[in-house]
Amino acid sequence: EVQLVESGGGLVQPGGSLRLSCAASGFTFSSYEMNWVRQAPGKGLEWVSYISNSGSTIYYADSVKGRFTISRDNAKNSLYLQMNSLRAEDTAVYYCARVSNPYYDRRGPKWFDPWGQGTPVTVSS
Amino acid sequence: EIVLTQSPATLSLSPGERATLSCRASQSVGSYLAWYQQKPGQAPRLLIYDASNRAAGFPARFSASGSGTDFTLAISSLEPEDFAVYYCQQRSNWPPYTFGQGTKLEIK
Repeated sequence: EVQLVESGGGLVQPGGSLRLSCAASGFTFSSYEMNWVRQAPGKGLEWVSYISNSGSTIYYADSVKGRFTISRDNAKNSLYLQMNSLRAEDTAVYYCARVSNPYYDRRGPKWFDPWGQGTPVTVSS
Repeated sequence: EIVLTQSPATLSLSPGERATLSCRASQSVGSYLAWYQQKPGQAPRLLIYDASNRAAGFPARFSASGSGTDFTLAISSLEPEDFAVYYCQQRSNWPPYTFGQGTKLEIK
């Protein structure tokens, strides 16, 4: 069974840091691109960051650029999001989401499937 | 950045009725559009990909159509488990990936 399990969320003060993890199982992690998506309380979905299967290509939303760092360890089947200089507006549930088809499936659909259950991050003093 | 606008924001219907949800893009996304279903307290689930293809696990009462800038998600006869929030997403011009603001489908 394909599974993504996030961890590392919690309460942090403005200006603080937090590192989220996403443990993957049930598939060949090194073959899949990954993303982080967040959802503020009562709000919609916001894409945060993307990383290619090898980690060589990375993108960020403008709202987090320069503050957040995405990374992965294919040997540990894990995805990470290092969040620095946190602001109140970063308060959200953070989801990791796999791209639906492996990187070598050039013609296959490339959507977010599946998603983890999410880990909540609250930035407040 | 491509902006996706969903309408209506809230749709109140009864079980057995037909639901029609709309997603409009600020510029053409071709067929690079997906729909996700999110129930309270749960992660989103991929429902429709490439504008009209139903994802595994969803019944045939879900259908979708459109291309370019106008897209529609239809649910032919609502079941109680279909009441949820539905989001559209584009990957035509990324980064960034963008989502619509969502349509809440609620029981009337």
